[in-house]
Amino acid sequence: GIQVEQSPPDLILQEGANSTLRCNFSDSVNNLQWFHQNPWGQLINLFYIPSGTKQNGRLSATTVATERYSLLYISSSQTTDSGVYFCAVVRSETDSWGKLQFGAGTQVVVTP
Amino acid sequence: ETGVTQSPTHLIKTRGQQVTLRCSSQSGHNTVSWYQQALGQGPQFIFQYYREEENGRGNFPPRFSGLQFPNYSSELNVNALELDDSALYLCASSFRRGSDSPLHFGNGTRLTVT
Repeated sequence: GIQVEQSPPDLILQEGANSTLRCNFSDSVNNLQWFHQNPWGQLINLFYIPSGTKQNGRLSATTVATERYSLLYISSSQTTDSGVYFCAVVRSETDSWGKLQFGAGTQVVVTP
Repeated sequence: ETGVTQSPTHLIKTRGQQVTLRCSSQSGHNTVSWYQQALGQGPQFIFQYYREEENGRGNFPPRFSGLQFPNYSSELNVNALELDDSALYLCASSFRRGSDSPLHFGNGTRLTVT
């Protein structure tokens, strides 16, 4: 199956700092989503971004499909940004459309 | 617009028992997928349903089964519970069939098997 690798595995930030999370995937994809899982387990959809660049407030994401990677940018981090960030993909053509393959996640801790 | 809702939020069962988890899809969504998330790991795909039929399954044994109803709500049933079934179970729905339709997740059901 498709491999999804996220880096770094852990990230500690001071409030106000900027950061970049990376997601590499091993095959072409039709779907790529970034999620934030808060400490209560809620999985929140941040971006649907199989290609291109999107921005939503302090968050933005870029996917370069031809080079098989995606980046999530967090600017001016806040303590509420703490949690685990997951990248998830659906491989093109052969996999069922609901079958998201998740990476292992990046654990982010933002300190006051 | 109502999001994906799951019930119950928490559940404790004994090894060997059976459990049913429920999910109501987001309004307008006709596909539903179920995921299992063990502690410290990413979610793992169990199966998905479209038009009341299973349409794709992950690497889970047959004792994991499901249903989708005409109103697009869904159930996940697990028989003969094992300790390793302890996990957060997530339901996700999407607007339509197709990998270009993003998935939206519910808050999950946390199952503990003792």
